[in-house]
Amino acid sequence: SSELTQDPAVSVALGQTVRITCQGDSLRSYYASWYQQKPGQAPVLVIYGKNNRPSGIPDRFSGSSSGNTASLTITGAQAEDEADYYCNSRDSSGNHLRVFGGGTKLTVL
Amino acid sequence: QVQLQESGPGLVKPSETLSLTCTVSGGSISSYYWSWIRQPAGKGLEWIGRIYTSGSTNYNPSLKSRVTMSVDTSKNQFSLKLSSVTAADTAVYYCARDLYRVARYPYNWFDPWGQGTLVTVSS
Repeated sequence: SSELTQDPAVSVALGQTVRITCQGDSLRSYYASWYQQKPGQAPVLVIYGKNNRPSGIPDRFSGSSSGNTASLTITGAQAEDEADYYCNSRDSSGNHLRVFGGGTKLTVL
Repeated sequence: QVQLQESGPGLVKPSETLSLTCTVSGGSISSYYWSWIRQPAGKGLEWIGRIYTSGSTNYNPSLKSRVTMSVDTSKNQFSLKLSSVTAADTAVYYCARDLYRVARYPYNWFDPWGQGTLVTVSS
């Protein structure tokens, strides 16, 4: 099995840059995907693969990976970016399972 | 674009079976994997499992003994059954398309998601 670990909460000043991280052994072999979830709404994909943004996602969102850590960076955070962020990846068992991180609550000050 | 909609009872009694259906519109269900994901109130996301349109499945080991997924390509629907439910199974249940890319570093992603449906387990 595999676990993905995220910091429970992160804060950033309006307009500044913030990095949200996700750690796990499976990230040495698989890229992560990232989801934004606002209260009462379904998660929305913001980054997948090495650094791919779906249509409609602002280019202030970017992804990167190094070793066992995947990162989601928001460059110039906006008030509307305040949300929960979840990482997801494949399980490292080779059984095509999926795992989520515990989520990071981003507060924009 | 593809849209997903969950449906099913919002209230299930303890020890009974939770049954949900996800209807895919705006595109074909064929040749994709489809996942179920749940989220208890105030908590994180938990992947339940996935099904391919051939019927092949992968389940979360922690739920495997209680989960059954099926697909009906003629109706563009796939379904989840979770047996012997308890209060711990109370959650918002989402369906999502499960995409993946085989590469030097493979990866998967979920897109789109349904809006989610709240299932409460209570007598």
